[in-house]
This record gives sequence, structure tokens and C-alpha cells, in this order.
Amino acid sequence: QSALTQSRSVSGSPGQSVTISCTGTSSDVGGYNYVSWYQQHPGKAPKLMIYDVSKRPSGVPDRFSGSKSGNTASLTISGLQAEDEADYYCCSYAGSHTWVFGGGTKLTVL
Amino acid sequence: QIQLQQSGPGLVKPSQTLSLTCAISGDSVSSNSAAWHWIRQSPSRGLEWLGRTYYRSKWYNDYAAFVKSRITINPDTPKNQFSLQLNSVTPEDTAVYYCVRDYSSSWPSFDPWGQGTLVTVSS
Repeated sequence: QSALTQSRSVSGSPGQSVTISCTGTSSDVGGYNYVSWYQQHPGKAPKLMIYDVSKRPSGVPDRFSGSKSGNTASLTISGLQAEDEADYYCCSYAGSHTWVFGGGTKLTVL
Repeated sequence: QIQLQQSGPGLVKPSQTLSLTCAISGDSVSSNSAAWHWIRQSPSRGLEWLGRTYYRSKWYNDYAAFVKSRITINPDTPKNQFSLQLNSVTPEDTAVYYCVRDYSSSWPSFDPWGQGTLVTVSS
């Protein structure tokens, strides 16, 4: 499978909202409600932020939300904080016991 | 709390075999409700899912098509760990390798992650 498509970078000021998109196909994003999002700070392992398109693990602030429309999933971060500056990756189950990731989006908090 | 601790060499010569181990604490590699994955990350190729092993009355493996001919993921039940072997490596296999558990509330998601191991393929 090809990697999911994410914009390379996005930025916002503290307190603002930003949305990161993740575009796939009907074989992955559009075919399953199994999109997850990961936050990665430099030198650290990715951290699960959203699973099953829109669910938040315990401990993840409700400023983080996810959605999906057709073959495109989105991660929205509201009330931006300095510590949200990181790389964000989407991931989708792609059927036949395989997974595909997005190329990552660098979030800059201005 | 589930924790994954990776170990293995950080330098592998071209054409040789990359071998990494992931020790599990707080869970069992033989759990009937868990799956154990390897994922890698490089600047040129991003995050790539490599494969998984899991136990459902017997052991199963799934591998990504692009490494299927070269990869083996094995459980080690006495030591409660699992391993990755990638044969015939090239510089393209240079990456940070992570061992990961599927998320307890949603099997297609990944959590927790190991600390990562940078493996460089170079002579």
C-alpha cells in the first residue's frame, strides 16, 4: 500500500485551533473506522492520541479530537498549547492484516 | 502498566541479519488478547509497519508485503519477549525500530511503544 497523505506542516498560535488531514483510499481510511493518530516529540517514541477515528485514550486532553469523511481523516487540536508542538502521524488499518501510516505533519506553535 | 524494553545491536553490515529483542513486563507474550508488532521509522520512508505475532490457541504471524521474504518475528514464551529478524539488510533498512503492543481497547491501534533502537546498516 502507499503511505497516507498528510500535509508536511501546519502552524497556529497558542489558544487557536488547527486541523491536520490524512488522505487515503477506500482500501484503508475509507474502508475501516480504524484510523489512529500519534504524537511524536523529538527523540521520543510515538504516543497514541486518537483511536478508532474519534476515541481518546485515558489521559489525552479533550482538546484533541478526530473525525473522518470518506477517504480523509482529520485530527483537530483546539486551544493550542506550547507542548502540542510535535510531529503527528495518522495510521489506518488497510485490511488483510496490514497497516499503513501517513508521512507525518509537523505542528509549530507560534 | 505494560512496558516494552528493546535490546540489540545498533550497527549491522550489509547483507547480514538484523536482530532485535523486545522484553515485556506487565503482560504476557502468550496473551490471547494481545498482538506484538514491529514498526520502523526513517527520514526517507517514514513510519512503516513491519509485522506482528500473536497467540490465539496457536501462534500466528502477519508480515508487510515489502519485507515478507526477509522477516521473521518470533515469540519467546519462557523469557516473555519477542524478536525481530530481518535478513539480507541494505542501507535502506537503516531506521529506528520500535516494538509495540496493540492497544488494549482497540486492536488496530498501537500502545504502548518500546523506546526505539536506531539500527544503522553500514560496512
